Amino acid sequence: AQRVTQPEKLLSVFKGAPVELKCNYSYSGSPELFWYVQYSRQRLQLLLRHISRESIKGFTADLNKGETSFHLKKPFAQEEDSAMYYCGRSQGNLIFGKGTKLSVKP
Amino acid sequence: DTEVTQTPKHLVMGMTNKKSLKCEQHMGHRAMYWYKQKAKKPPELMFVYSYEKLSINESVPSRFSPECPNSSLLNLHLHALQPEDSALYLCASSQGGGPYEQYFGPGTRLTVT
Repeated sequence: AQRVTQPEKLLSVFKGAPVELKCNYSYSGSPELFWYVQYSRQRLQLLLRHISRESIKGFTADLNKGETSFHLKKPFAQEEDSAMYYCGRSQGNLIFGKGTKLSVKP
Repeated sequence: DTEVTQTPKHLVMGMTNKKSLKCEQHMGHRAMYWYKQKAKKPPELMFVYSYEKLSINESVPSRFSPECPNSSLLNLHLHALQPEDSALYLCASSQGGGPYEQYFGPGTRLTVT
């Protein structure tokens, strides 16, 4: 079965610090990987997908097939980055990890 | 219009009631989805419609009955629900089935009493 693992339930950093949200996936074929974000009282929305290889709101994520990882990174966290982040994998269906709550303190 | 809309925002229903959740999109998307999200948990896929045909049913109990009247609308009919069915029900749409970006609605908060 496809699995997406986000080992951290909660990640707390100070403003300006680097942040890395971890995501590992079970290997099966060619994965399509995504990061979705849910800000407080807002709908779930796409942040990044690995095939586009772009940076959104300063976040980047690199697919590492050797480590089966797709970690989300930002060099300098901002308070407005506080949100729930879900790593997702699609192979037909979109399967989400359990999510990591990022809290950026002033 | 680049939004997925859902009605109602909140719904309280008894275990013997029949109600429906509605979802609408006007982005020309051909795949639509229902998810269930419990508090502090990720969304769990329930149903997928692709080109107005039910393509995936993730072993959802028959008290949940989806319907796709046309390419813009998706309904979820509810009957004889249990208290444990209380959750946020999310609708999403995408260009097609598969690895496309999914656009999510704001959800319907359902409470079964």
